[in-house]
Amino acid sequence: DAKTTQPPSMDCAEGRAANLPCNHSTISGNEYVYWYRQIHSQGPQYIIHGLKNNETNEMASLIITEDRKSSTLILPHATLRDTAVYYCIVRVAQGAQKLVFGQGTRLTINP
Amino acid sequence: GAVVSQHPSWVICKSGTSVKIECRSLDFQATTMFWYRQFPKQSLMLMATSNEGSKATYEQGVEKDKFLINHASLTLSTLTVTSAHPEDSSFYICSARQFPVASGGLYNEQFFGPGTRLTVL
Repeated sequence: DAKTTQPPSMDCAEGRAANLPCNHSTISGNEYVYWYRQIHSQGPQYIIHGLKNNETNEMASLIITEDRKSSTLILPHATLRDTAVYYCIVRVAQGAQKLVFGQGTRLTINP
Repeated sequence: GAVVSQHPSWVICKSGTSVKIECRSLDFQATTMFWYRQFPKQSLMLMATSNEGSKATYEQGVEKDKFLINHASLTLSTLTVTSAHPEDSSFYICSARQFPVASGGLYNEQFFGPGTRLTVL
C-alpha cells in the first residue's frame, strides 16, 4: 500500500472549515484514499473514502487532485468534538484489506 | 448499523496471568476481524488478521503463542494475552470487515471497536 504524508498537527477555530492535507505521491491506479479519525481513547471512526472523484457525506468532503497524488479532507464547520487524530490511508479496496496507519494529523479545534 | 463492541473496556491484571478480550460485530457478519495495539502517543499497529474458521495471520514481530486469536463465529473474535507482563500494557483495538464483499463500497469497510485498555501490574 502507498505511503502517505500528513502534517503532525493542525489548529482550527471552532465554526471554521478545517482542511487537512495528505500527500500520497506513489498511489497506484487501483488504490483508494481513506480517512479515519480517532478521538482520544476511542477506536478509529471511518469518515470518508474516494478513488478519483470528490466525495461528500454528512461528516466531511474529500477533494482528490486530478493526478491523485494528494488529497484534502474538509470538515466544513469544525466543532470542539472534531478534535482528534486524523489518518489518511491509501489501499486497494479488495485483496489484503488491512489498514496501515501512519502517524496522522492531530487536529485541535479551538473555541 | 455496523457496530463493533469490545469487552472488557478496561482490565487490570497481575503479571503472569492471561487476559481474554472479546470483539463482537453486533449487527453484521464479519468474516475478517483485525487486532491492533496502540501505545501512548503512538499510532495503531496491526497485530493480526483473524479469519472465521481458520488460523489468524500475524504481522511480523508479533508472537502468535503469546497473543492467541480465535475467530469461532462470524460475529466473535477473541484475543488472549497469555502470561501478560507490564510491557503488554496497551490499548487493544479490534475491527471487523463486513460480509459480503462488494467492490469499492462501504461493504469492504472496516468498523472499529471502542478499544480495551490493558494494564499489567
